[in-house]
Parts: sequence; C-alpha cells; structure tokens
Amino acid sequence: DVKVTQSSRYLVKRTGEKVFLECVQDMDHENMFWYRQDPGLGLRLIYFSYDVKMKEKGDIPEGYSVSREKKERFSLILESASTNQTSMYLCASSPLVAGAFGQYFGPGTRLTVT
Amino acid sequence: GQQLNQSPQSMFIQEGEDVSMNCTSSSIFNTWLWYKQEPGEGPVLLIALYKAGELTSNGRLTAQFGITRKDSFLNISASIPSDVGIYFCAGQNDYKLSFGAGTTVTVRA
Repeated sequence: DVKVTQSSRYLVKRTGEKVFLECVQDMDHENMFWYRQDPGLGLRLIYFSYDVKMKEKGDIPEGYSVSREKKERFSLILESASTNQTSMYLCASSPLVAGAFGQYFGPGTRLTVT
Repeated sequence: GQQLNQSPQSMFIQEGEDVSMNCTSSSIFNTWLWYKQEPGEGPVLLIALYKAGELTSNGRLTAQFGITRKDSFLNISASIPSDVGIYFCAGQNDYKLSFGAGTTVTVRA
C-alpha cells in the first residue's frame, strides 16, 4: 500500500514564526503536492514538484515555499506564519503518469497560527 | 486551477437511503475522480473514471463520467453509518487535479 506520512497531525505556532511541514512517501513517486483545505473551498494547490529540486507554483503559492532535496520527501515552509494561514495542510504523491490512481494523500496537518 | 461546482454542499441521509451528488465544470477533463475524507484523515480515492459516458461501480458506489466531459455524479446506495464523511469530486488533466468544495454526508441512524 502507498503510504504518505506527514510529520505532525496538529501544530500551533505564533505569528511571524518560520514553520516547516514535512511529508514523506514510500512508493518512489515522482510527483508530490502540497494542498491547503478550508471549509467550503475544497482543496487548493499550493506547490507541486515533479522531481528532486524541481517545483512549480500552484494556485495559492503566496506566503509559502517548498523544498525537495530527496525524491521521497517534500517540505512546505511558511517563512513568516500569519493567522490567515491557519488551515489543514495535505500532502499528496502520484506517479509521473498519474493514470489510474489519481493522487495518494497523507492524513493532513492541522496548523493553527495565533 | 479551477474549482468545480459540487452539490449539494451537505446532506443528512436516512440509513438505507440511496443518495446522489454531482459535480460540474466549465472545462473538459480527461479523468474524473471521487474521493472520500473521514474526520482526521486525508482523502481516499473511491472511484476513477477515464472515458466519457463511463459508468463505474465500487460496491455500493456508482459514478458516471458525463458525455460532455464536464460533469460527473456519484450515487451511494443503501446508506450505512460508515458512509459519513466529506466526498470530493476532482477533475484531472495531466498531473493536476481541480477539486470541488465537497459534500458533507451525515447519516441519521
């Protein structure tokens, strides 16, 4: 079974802090994604990576950056956390050709910025 | 990416009922996907549809890929308490998914 794990299920951070969210997948997938989930808005893509050190902006990249130094690991960075970044963050992975399986999601990190 | 129009936003269903939800888009997609998210978990893929007009079942779930490639629906037959959760539709082109806002399903025992 594909497994996508995220480093924390819950995080509470203060405004202005630098925040790191980590994601690891164990299926040798090329693609990895970071989404933000807010009630009534569904899932919105923040950043996407199709290879080590490669990244592309998604729909809402402002205030975020990412790092992919190893194929299995994709990190989301909030350089200076703000209260409007309080949300559920979901990591996902897929093969290069997503084909039959869409994307596999991790359990999510619920981040609260106070 | 575009957000898809998913309806209804929420529903209360009686155990044993059949229910439907649907998703529409102004854009064409090559693949339609339906995910379910349970409390505290990430979305899990339920059904994937690859061909316009395709009707696919997975147990009590049935989904269809619209002929125009701009819509899809999901039916759940004979609802049971474990059907509780948020159901998301997603349209896929290449690697990218566009999601609906979700349908929250609550089952009345």
